[in-house]
Amino acid sequence: GDSVTQMEGPVTLSEEAFLTINCTYTATGYPSLFWYVQYPGEGLQLLLKATKADDKGSNKGFEATYRKETTSFHLEKGSVQVSDSAVYFCALSGSSNTGKLIFGQGTTLQVKP
Amino acid sequence: EAGVAQSPRYKIIEKRQSVAFWCNPISGHATLYWYQQILGQGPKLLIQFQNNGVVDDSQLPKDRFSAERLKGVDSTLKIQPAKLEDSAVYLCASSSGQGARETQYFGPGTRLLVL
Repeated sequence: GDSVTQMEGPVTLSEEAFLTINCTYTATGYPSLFWYVQYPGEGLQLLLKATKADDKGSNKGFEATYRKETTSFHLEKGSVQVSDSAVYFCALSGSSNTGKLIFGQGTTLQVKP
Repeated sequence: EAGVAQSPRYKIIEKRQSVAFWCNPISGHATLYWYQQILGQGPKLLIQFQNNGVVDDSQLPKDRFSAERLKGVDSTLKIQPAKLEDSAVYLCASSSGQGARETQYFGPGTRLLVL
């Protein structure tokens, strides 16, 4: 079945450091890919998405490119801020085409000043 | 535009008791989802509704969990009787349509602790 694997956390960075959170997936067909973020005490929010191969999703300085050849959707940001500290979830919506999301286990990011 | 509303935000019960959670989706959203998020894991879909019909309930433990969306708007998820392993955050989400490209909007969740 469909699945998503994220790099394990926690990831601890200093402010203004470069961020990469790896995400790979297994799915039949052509899934849509998402990054959701969960700030402390808040619900899940969509950060960005890509719906076809080679698409780049971007928002708030974060980017991720849908790479079908490597089945990956890695999240990057050039310069993180303390306010980016949160849990990041990679997810796919795929073969069933019902919209059901399959999530990775989440990666905790802590940014220190 | 109001977001997805859920209540209660927190609930503590003893095992074998029953509990119910309520969700009001974004106005006009036809598709409603309930996810279970166990600590340290990603959310897992329990049930999906399209209007008031069930699209997917393959992961719902039907011996103890039930859900309804009677008028195609708000929804209730019930657990009876609860087990210790049901301790989790229960997330409700909605989307305007159904399909792989739709964006789901999540509520704040209900945190359940079963003692």
